[in-house]
Amino acid sequence: GENVEQHPSTLSVQEGDSAVIKCTYSDSASNYFPWYKQELGKRPQLIIDIRSNVGEKKDQRIAVTLNKTAKHFSLHITETQPEDSAVYFCAPGEAGSYQLTFGKGTKLSVIP
Amino acid sequence: KAGVTQTPRYLIKTRGQQVTLSCSPISGHRSVSWYQQTPGQGLQFLFEYFSETQRNKGNFPGRFSGRQFSNSRSEMNVSTLELGDSALYLCASSLDHPNQPQHFGDGTRLSIL
Repeated sequence: GENVEQHPSTLSVQEGDSAVIKCTYSDSASNYFPWYKQELGKRPQLIIDIRSNVGEKKDQRIAVTLNKTAKHFSLHITETQPEDSAVYFCAPGEAGSYQLTFGKGTKLSVIP
Repeated sequence: KAGVTQTPRYLIKTRGQQVTLSCSPISGHRSVSWYQQTPGQGLQFLFEYFSETQRNKGNFPGRFSGRQFSNSRSEMNVSTLELGDSALYLCASSLDHPNQPQHFGDGTRLSIL
């Protein structure tokens, strides 16, 4: 099965700074790379995803970059705001799979 | 479009009892997955159902089971409850294509006394 690691496990940044979370996976057959955000007491929600035929994808202040050779992908948040405070999960998916393996999460705190 | 609905939201049980949780997916979504979320282990995959059949299974004991009905609604059952089963149980639905975004419900918070 897929082994997924996220780093760091906690991250504190000042409002307006950038945040980067890295996700390392083990299965070279993975071809789907989503990031989910879970605010305190709420459901996880997809915020951005990328597929293996694309190296980078951007949506306003968030972006995901993929390095398939090194088997890792990263979430980038620029100009962080207090509402970005949440736990972020990566969940790489193997080709043809209907199952996602979630990382253990990164707790991001944005300090006003 | 209504989201994923899970009932009940909260449940308190004692050791040895059994429990059934319910999940109604987004209309048109036929794949339903269940996850257990705990502070120490994060989100762990339990199983996935499609067309009333269990298509994928995670690494959980046989006390955890599920089923799916013809309208895609799903239930999961945990028998002989243990203290370690205390967790948030999340259901997610998706379109039936590999590697699709999962749409989560608000979860059922299960506490075992």
